[in-house]
Amino acid sequence: DAKTTQPNSMESNEEEPVHLPCNHSTISGTDYIHWYRQLPSQGPEYVIHGLTSNVNNRMASLAIAEDRKSSTLILHRATLRDAAVYYCILRQFGNEKLTFGTGTRLTIIP
Amino acid sequence: EAQVTQNPRYLITVTGKKLTVTCSQNMNHEYMSWYRQDPGLGLRQIYYSMNVEVTDKGDVPEGYKVSRKEKRNFPLILESPSPNQTSLYFCASSDYIGDETQYFGPGTRLLVL
Repeated sequence: DAKTTQPNSMESNEEEPVHLPCNHSTISGTDYIHWYRQLPSQGPEYVIHGLTSNVNNRMASLAIAEDRKSSTLILHRATLRDAAVYYCILRQFGNEKLTFGTGTRLTIIP
Repeated sequence: EAQVTQNPRYLITVTGKKLTVTCSQNMNHEYMSWYRQDPGLGLRQIYYSMNVEVTDKGDVPEGYKVSRKEKRNFPLILESPSPNQTSLYFCASSDYIGDETQYFGPGTRLLVL
């Protein structure tokens, strides 16, 4: 499975934008970039995914580098409820398996 | 409400006493899987199922069994639990024909003494 690299932890102030980086230099052409997050004492939940183009949904935006070797998850206005571990995952087209790394622990400062 | 449920949520048992953790989803998903989460190791896949009566090993299947007799249920069986199976377990499901999203259950925390 292609590997991703994320910072272990990040902090952000409440109500400010947060940019969570992910490096995936060995990404293949059939790999989708998925982001999940895990709130304290809960199971992971889907955030967003993309292939080549930038993506937006009600939770976040995903910015994908032109060479696809990196991506950034953007939370436009962080709230305390966004404090979680965020996982960047490469998922091969047609393969349901998610390979989780250790993710980025995001702390929101009130 | 679309959801994945797991029971029990917490379980303390002793080495060698067979146990089953149930998982059920109400979304008519074909794909279901089990993960375990351990500190420093992240989530690792134990078993998965593409549909009824179709199951396969994930990355860490040793010591576990599964069955998929009905589409909605995917129980995880530990026939002879050992302390190294103390972990947090998550069940997940998805509709791989359409939606890209995997839905996870709330987790089952297992302690094997």
